[in-house]
Amino acid sequence: AQSVAQPEDQVNVAEGNPLTVKCTYSVSGNPYLFWYVQYPNRGLQFLLKYITGDNLVKGSYGFEAEFNKSQTSFHLKKPSALVSDSALYFCAVRAPYNFNKFYFGSGTKLNVKP
Amino acid sequence: GAGVSQSPSNKVTEKGKDVELRCDPISGHTALYWYRQSLGQGLEFLIYFQGNSAPDKSGLPSDRFSAERTGGSVSTLTIQRTQQEDSAVYLCASSPGRGSQETQYFGPGTRLLVL
Repeated sequence: AQSVAQPEDQVNVAEGNPLTVKCTYSVSGNPYLFWYVQYPNRGLQFLLKYITGDNLVKGSYGFEAEFNKSQTSFHLKKPSALVSDSALYFCAVRAPYNFNKFYFGSGTKLNVKP
Repeated sequence: GAGVSQSPSNKVTEKGKDVELRCDPISGHTALYWYRQSLGQGLEFLIYFQGNSAPDKSGLPSDRFSAERTGGSVSTLTIQRTQQEDSAVYLCASSPGRGSQETQYFGPGTRLLVL
């Protein structure tokens, strides 16, 4: 069965410091992996995705994520956090043979303090 | 063009009443998805449309929930005889077609509160 785990409910980081939001997945075959961000009272906004190719994917707002097949992980990173990055982040996986569904993690709340 | 829109943005209803939630996908997008986001939870898949047909209804939590899509565009999610546990944010998303690589684009959601 497909699943996604975000082991941290909350991540706290100081502005200017690097941030990492963790995601691990379980899926048969080669996964398609996505990160979304949700600001308060808003829908989800697409950040980046990994389909194939280079394991390091760059996305919106300076975010990047690294696909690690051996560790089945797709951690979201940013070299220097901004207060405006504070939001709820969701990792999602989609099996290439089952385009009906995204499997979402439970979300990680990122708090960036000035 | 415009993104995915949903209406109403907020809905308060009494237990036992029926509600209809509407989703307008991005023009030209043939795939449409409904999700439910409960407080402190991730997204729960409800139903997927490709065109007007719904090949996957597996996520609908009970027979009180139904959805339709007409003209390959607008979709309506109906909850009959609402219960308090139905309170959640209902999110709609669309994508261009059948590819697994495609990104889903989400609407702002409808926040439903059942009293």
